Amino acid sequence: DQQVKQNSPSLSVQEGRISILNCDYTNSMFDYFLWYKKYPAEGPTFLISISSIKDKNEDGRFTVFLNKSAKHLSLHIVPSQPGDSAVYFCAASDNNDMRFGAGTRLTVKP
Amino acid sequence: KAGVTQTPRYLIKTRGQQVTLSCSPISGHRSVSWYQQTPGQGLQFLFEYFSETQRNKGNFPGRFSGRQFSNSRSEMNVSTLELGDSALYLCASSSLTSGGKQFFGPGTRLTVL
Repeated sequence: DQQVKQNSPSLSVQEGRISILNCDYTNSMFDYFLWYKKYPAEGPTFLISISSIKDKNEDGRFTVFLNKSAKHLSLHIVPSQPGDSAVYFCAASDNNDMRFGAGTRLTVKP
Repeated sequence: KAGVTQTPRYLIKTRGQQVTLSCSPISGHRSVSWYQQTPGQGLQFLFEYFSETQRNKGNFPGRFSGRQFSNSRSEMNVSTLELGDSALYLCASSSLTSGGKQFFGPGTRLTVL
């Protein structure tokens, strides 16, 4: 069963605009959420995380929002840059387990 | 610190064969997790090892197995390969002090013909 879902397989955005990547989860025991970025031929690299006691975490151009009641999180990238083009995976953890979504391929056009 | 390394990077096998993939975690990391990545399925959790013990297991058939050695290096084995086993196999390591973050290796691209 897919406990973590990224319903948009791809997203295309113009350079300088905002990219919003979405993620939904079903397991209410998840208490820590992460976003990973993956370039071709490389393993995923950690981008940003948020614990369930917060609803927002910001790191430079990247902000993650968590809506626990809706079991939804999103990653905002502002402004988007061509180098941000990659596959983004969201992940959720309950201390015992980490589950990943299917990924969203972001393309930022110059 | 050196990152997570995986060998081999690429592998081609035929149906029915078996394969062993290797992962060396970041020095000091005792937890190693394995994932299978296929298009459209994202990262599917295979299993996690901590201090030579399997701590968690995903929903994969018994043909997929793994082990961890005393130096935290890990191997995963797939027996009786099927065409659908073609995927990128990723290994990730973490420690109690890594704040829940996992550090991934570059993966092994397995192609089953």
